[in-house]
Amino acid sequence: GENVEQHPSTLSVQEGDSAVIKCTYSDSASNYFPWYKQELGKRPQLIIDIRSNVGEKKDQRIAVTLNKTAKHFSLHITETQPEDSAVYFCAASNSNSGYALNFGKGTSLLVTP
Amino acid sequence: DAGVTQSPTHLIKTRGQQVTLRCSPISGHKSVSWYQQVLGQGPQFIFQYYEKEERGRGNFPDRFSARQFPNYSSELNVNALLLGDSALYLCASSLGLATTDTQYFGPGTRLTVL
Repeated sequence: GENVEQHPSTLSVQEGDSAVIKCTYSDSASNYFPWYKQELGKRPQLIIDIRSNVGEKKDQRIAVTLNKTAKHFSLHITETQPEDSAVYFCAASNSNSGYALNFGKGTSLLVTP
Repeated sequence: DAGVTQSPTHLIKTRGQQVTLRCSPISGHKSVSWYQQVLGQGPQFIFQYYEKEERGRGNFPDRFSARQFPNYSSELNVNALLLGDSALYLCASSLGLATTDTQYFGPGTRLTVL
């Protein structure tokens, strides 16, 4: 089955700096890569996603890049703010995995003022 | 629009008991998936249902079962509870079955097994 690795597990940045979280996946059939943000005690919320026919997608301060050849994708957050502090999960999905989202173990991001 | 709702919010059970968790999807969504999230880990896929039929199953024992009703709501049942079943159980709904259909998560049910 699909295996998603996520790094780093914790990340601390100063407000205004950029943060980058990286994920790799194992199944070349994966074609959908969402990123979820989960604040303490709350539900995971989709922040951005990318499909396999696109190499990069941007939404204001958040961007995701995908390299299908290397089977890795990354989340980039620019001009970080304290409210960006949360756990971020990457995931990968394909029809071979029964339409499931296969999640990484998460990155705990702390943005200090 | 109302989001995905789940009940109950919290549950405390003892080993060997059975539990039923409930999920109501976003209006118009026909697919419901269940995930287990152990503290400090990413969600793990348990089941996906679409049009009342099971369309995907994760690597969980037969003690876990689920069903989807004609109104697209869903129940997750866990029998013979073990301490290791303690987790946040998340329900997610999506429009359909395409891998690219966005899954929206509910607030979860926190299950504690003593």
